[in-house]
Amino acid sequence: EDQVTQSPEALRLQEGESSSLNCSYTVSGLRGLFWYRQDPGKGPEFLFTLYSAGEEKEKERLKATLTKKESFLHITAPKPEDSATYLCAATTQGGSEKLVFGKGTKLTVNP
Amino acid sequence: EAGVVQSPRYKIIEKKQPVAFWCNPISGHNTLYWYRQNLGQGPELLIRYENEEAVDDSQLPKDRFSAERLKGVDSTLKIQPAELGDSAVYLCATRGAGYEQYFGPGTRLTVT
Repeated sequence: EDQVTQSPEALRLQEGESSSLNCSYTVSGLRGLFWYRQDPGKGPEFLFTLYSAGEEKEKERLKATLTKKESFLHITAPKPEDSATYLCAATTQGGSEKLVFGKGTKLTVNP
Repeated sequence: EAGVVQSPRYKIIEKKQPVAFWCNPISGHNTLYWYRQNLGQGPELLIRYENEEAVDDSQLPKDRFSAERLKGVDSTLKIQPAELGDSAVYLCATRGAGYEQYFGPGTRLTVT
């Protein structure tokens, strides 16, 4: 069964304190690995797609990387406005095209 | 470019009552999804449409849930009758060119 596991469940950082969120996946034939940001009361907001091991994507203070078993979302010098839940999802080859989501990491950045 | 539009944003109903959610996708996006998100969980797929055809409804509880996408644009998701366990956020999403999905703001359903 396809599975995506995120850790930690929650993370508290001080402003400027860099860290990483982990997403491990077990899927049959990865087509794409996605990162989303979700603010309270809103739908997930697309951040990145990674397609193959070794690939990296960056956006402002966020950098996503991918290996054959896991993905990391690195947050450099975070600000309070980076506080949100970060969701990881995988989609597999074979036609179903559904996103299998992890439970998310709730990030809180204190000023 | 307008995003995915959903309505209503909030709905409170008593159990056994019917409820319907509406979704207007991003223009030109032919693939449309309905997800359900429980508190503290990631979204879970209910149904996927390619244009007006439901191509994956294996996770849709068909005894009480139904969906339609007339003319391959707007879509509605219906629950009849609602149960307490149906309380959740119902999300609509559409797919871009690179398999990424774009989500609407969701409808928060509370069944009392």
